[in-house]
Amino acid sequence: KAGVTQTPRYLIKTRGQQVTLSCSPISGHRSVSWYQQTPGQGLQFLFEYFSETQRNKGNFPGRFSGRQFSNSRSEMNVSTLELGDSALYLCASSLDRVAYNEQFFGPGTRLTVL
Amino acid sequence: KQEVTQIPAALSVPEGENLVLNCSFTDSAIYNLQWFRQDPGKGLTSLLLIQSSQREQTSGRLNASLDKSSGRSTLYIAASQPGDSATYLCAVIGGVSGGSNYKLTFGKGTLLTVNP
Repeated sequence: KAGVTQTPRYLIKTRGQQVTLSCSPISGHRSVSWYQQTPGQGLQFLFEYFSETQRNKGNFPGRFSGRQFSNSRSEMNVSTLELGDSALYLCASSLDRVAYNEQFFGPGTRLTVL
Repeated sequence: KQEVTQIPAALSVPEGENLVLNCSFTDSAIYNLQWFRQDPGKGLTSLLLIQSSQREQTSGRLNASLDKSSGRSTLYIAASQPGDSATYLCAVIGGVSGGSNYKLTFGKGTLLTVNP
């Protein structure tokens, strides 16, 4: 069974640009969550999508948004990039809502903002 | 606000030693707790998931316990091997009063080095 895949693996952008990251969950998994990992803040929860609807959201500004498609694939968008957005962005999938199910993570997308 | 603390921040042990990693959390109203390992520059690998109604889970050389009342979880690694070297993270999924939402909070991790 294929694991969680994320594309692209690496991205370099400049301040003010926008970026879209993609996540394909494990087949049959309906929940996709996104996380930001930085050396200073550690791992922080961005949002969770389930059945194409955002079900839960962390404390991030509105520049961070996402969506989920009918096949459970998810995209995350960051607009008006700032230097502080440089991070490893991880997506995780679970069979159902995260509260009751094990999460499986992808390898991440390393975003560098110059 | 849920706070998750992992102690120690770093641990170095000789191969073959049994060891315990600690995770403490401030709000005992949790749904579950999950332990992960992360290798440098990589994503997270799930190790064990403990539901709030459970006291422990075991997988191979790993055993995780959960004591909700004291806000603590431990990850026990038996007969450690150099391949166990990684950062170990615990994640707590806690309830938010009055709704079906919940909060996911990660600890900062324990960097484990197992020396051959």
